[in-house]
Amino acid sequence: DSGVTQTPKHLITATGQRVTLRCSPRSGDLSVYWYQQSLDQGLQFLIQYYNGEERAKGNILERFSAQQFPDLHSELNLSSLELGDSALYFCASSLSGDPTYEQYFGPGTRLTVT
Amino acid sequence: GQQLNQSPQSMFIQEGEDVSMNCTSSSIFNTWLWYKQDPGEGPVLLIALYKAGELTSNGRLTAQFGITRKDSFLNISASIPSDVGIYFCAGRPGSNYQLIWGAGTKLIIKP
Repeated sequence: DSGVTQTPKHLITATGQRVTLRCSPRSGDLSVYWYQQSLDQGLQFLIQYYNGEERAKGNILERFSAQQFPDLHSELNLSSLELGDSALYFCASSLSGDPTYEQYFGPGTRLTVT
Repeated sequence: GQQLNQSPQSMFIQEGEDVSMNCTSSSIFNTWLWYKQDPGEGPVLLIALYKAGELTSNGRLTAQFGITRKDSFLNISASIPSDVGIYFCAGRPGSNYQLIWGAGTKLIIKP
């Protein structure tokens, strides 16, 4: 158990809909990272927050947005969903804002868009 | 943009065999990381490398930061069934950059 929690574990929704994925980092960690992993593919970095502020952006679509709240939990919002958005979405947390520090990954949220 | 080439894409091996995989980049990196993703779980950090030529072990795993700073290698000795999973390399070109992730090497052990 990494100490990072993600909810929900599974999500099935229709095209055009909007969903919110939630992540609670390990106690004491200030950084939260979001990744997308499509079937049989690698990890695509989406976005990083550090202590409530956006730190870095990766390949995140304009239809996607995220935020980190004062209690350090984070939410990833996906809107106007398309079939291609079906994937496993991971959240990871780290003590530091430096991405080379160990990142602790949650169990992921599996999103299926039908 | 920056890219990492991780190979092989997948490996079918017998239990007890040694395994080698590598990552190469088109530019110089100052940090290399190796993560492992067990089936159905999130990745876990195995080894971190910070200096060219560095050789670091973690049990049966050994990783090296290439002298050219453009590659890294991961070796697993005497593979066992729990070694199955996807191994990711990740690297960073400099302090102002984010991590760049390889596409992963899927390790499968033949029964």
